[in-house]
Amino acid sequence: GAVVSQHPSWVICKSGTSVKIECRSLDFQATTMFWYRQFPKQSLMLMATSNEGSKATYEQGVEKDKFLINHASLTLSTLTVTSAHPEDSSFYICSPRDLNVYGYTFGSGTRLTVV
Amino acid sequence: AQSVTQPDIHITVSEGASLELRCNYSYGATPYLFWYVQSPGQGLQLLLKYFSGDTLVQGIKGFEAEFKRSQSSFNLRKPSVHWSDAAEYFCAVGTNTGNQFYFGTGTSLTVIP
Repeated sequence: GAVVSQHPSWVICKSGTSVKIECRSLDFQATTMFWYRQFPKQSLMLMATSNEGSKATYEQGVEKDKFLINHASLTLSTLTVTSAHPEDSSFYICSPRDLNVYGYTFGSGTRLTVV
Repeated sequence: AQSVTQPDIHITVSEGASLELRCNYSYGATPYLFWYVQSPGQGLQLLLKYFSGDTLVQGIKGFEAEFKRSQSSFNLRKPSVHWSDAAEYFCAVGTNTGNQFYFGTGTSLTVIP
């Protein structure tokens, strides 16, 4: 149980373009989704928390207009990096929360490189 | 405030040798503790977790961890390291409400032949 699919695994985009990352919980419903960012040689840092059907809550220092989060259903959440810049290059990981089992599951991550 | 500390940024061990990765946490109540492993360019894989009960927890790939409340520690151990264990290891603590999750900064493990 608690299978998570994150897509794409890696993406290269030009500066100024937007990139959408999808996160799906395949065998459970996730009312809450956490999005993390990991810069090279650093730990995971929470970017935002979203609850299905409501607006996401962003951590301090994370621009909500730049990182658009949509959590329209219990099995799908998306993170869109708008007008990407090289400093947005990072590893992004989703973590849908399974209410039936305490614990945290993670997607396999998306390596974003902005050139 | 809750926090997780992994004192060792990088550890090198010989294949077949024993391993211990340190983790200390700061949390006001009983913590829920986790160890994750991340191979290069990959996501996180759960090695083991502690919620309650027996303080010695067995995980996958031959790993175990011991919760010591008096020392606020949750160190990860393996009696004999394999070359495939080379990766980044993260300790994490979750709150009992399930609404917050904190990662340590990670320990990079290198295994030499």
